[in-house]
Amino acid sequence: AQKVTQAQTEISVVEKEDVTLDCVYETRDTTYYLFWYKQPPSGELVFLIRRNSFDEQNEISGRYSWNFQKSTSSFNFTITASQVVDSAVYFCALSEVTTGNQFYFGTGTSLTVIP
Amino acid sequence: NAGVTQTPKFQVLKTGQSMTLQCAQDMNHEYMSWYRQDPGMGLRLIHYSVGAGITDQGEVPNGYNVSRSTTEDFPLRLLSAAPSQTSVYFCASSYSTGGAWEQFFGPGTRLTVL
Repeated sequence: AQKVTQAQTEISVVEKEDVTLDCVYETRDTTYYLFWYKQPPSGELVFLIRRNSFDEQNEISGRYSWNFQKSTSSFNFTITASQVVDSAVYFCALSEVTTGNQFYFGTGTSLTVIP
Repeated sequence: NAGVTQTPKFQVLKTGQSMTLQCAQDMNHEYMSWYRQDPGMGLRLIHYSVGAGITDQGEVPNGYNVSRSTTEDFPLRLLSAAPSQTSVYFCASSYSTGGAWEQFFGPGTRLTVL
């Protein structure tokens, strides 16, 4: 079974629009960590955020914000006032304490911001 | 610090050829891993190592071998390349603080098997 599901394969938005990338995860652990990574067209993986399962506070960093809801097992990522430089593939990932450091990645969401 | 380095960046092989993808890190991390990235599949774990001399299989280990003789290096070997191994390969090293793991990825190796 897929531990991390990113149902949105591709999203296109016009510049300055807000966009939310969905991530749903599955785990039986009570302690786990969730991550978002960005992969721009150049191909490298860029770390964006890590959250632990005990901290459900939403986080905002500039135009980026993350909404973590344990009740729905979701960790969604919103970009406000999108820019062309936000065009990339975004991956959500899960790390469980019981499986050590194995990271489970979603299949990614490809975001295109149209100028 | 160079972080995680991978060589080569690009490689083309013929079916049946062998090669080694190199990965090195200078952060003294005990944990290293190899992933492959395929379109629509995300990143899938091939092999990982929790320290020198210790390796284990991930989700898709078939066709790949690894060894870990030093903390710094974690090479991935393809003994007999197949077209199904055409992919982008990422090496990562990790450390833990208070149970929270953080991974650092290399720049990737794009491999094509003809």
